Amino acid sequence: DAMVIQNPRYQVTQFGKPVTLSCSQTLNHNVMYWYQQKSSQAPKLLFHYYDKDFNNEADTPDNFQSRRPNTSFCFLDIRSPGLGDAAMYLCATSRVQTGLVALLSGANVLTFGAGSRLTVL
Amino acid sequence: AQSVTQLDSQVPVFEEAPVELRCNYSSSVSVYLFWYVQYPNQGLQLLLKYLSGSTLVKGINGFEAEFNKSQTSFHLRKPSVHISDTAEYFCAVSVANNNDMRFGAGTRLTVKP
Repeated sequence: DAMVIQNPRYQVTQFGKPVTLSCSQTLNHNVMYWYQQKSSQAPKLLFHYYDKDFNNEADTPDNFQSRRPNTSFCFLDIRSPGLGDAAMYLCATSRVQTGLVALLSGANVLTFGAGSRLTVL
Repeated sequence: AQSVTQLDSQVPVFEEAPVELRCNYSSSVSVYLFWYVQYPNQGLQLLLKYLSGSTLVKGINGFEAEFNKSQTSFHLRKPSVHISDTAEYFCAVSVANNNDMRFGAGTRLTVKP
């Protein structure tokens, strides 16, 4: 089945030790997103790739970086995790089109992975 | 930018009772509206979406929602809930030609026996 897969599902790291979370998709979607979700809060968009174009949210800390080496894969790098970075990290994809095609095709619908829960000790 | 407000952070309800989870949005342009469900330690799963056309949309698991443009609302309803419906529900909004989807703070639905 076509899907969005995140690895690892659970990651434990030490304060300041770099972490990489991965996301892969078989949907051939052109947009990939990374969201941070803290306990009992809404998912917060960190950044997204529209094809190869990187779009960073204004309030995303520099500690968070992302790479998209190809259509299928996207990585979230946390360079120096702090205690406040403990959260669920959600990857999502969508096929974004414009105009009438978007209305007819159901564009802008996000498909989520199961998430990666990060614990910082 | 578009935004969405979920008016209830928690909704407890007994099994087989009806439920309504409220959502209001704000946008200066036409919107697309969504409801997602999240079970513990899982990602978000699409329940239903409004893109255009009929204002009453039906989704999975017996849920439905009605788009009300004059009241800028998109409330989620189910006539009879099950224990398995216990989860976090998120309302979300996006606009045409924009890759940005904004989520509400979520409503925790707890179904009690």
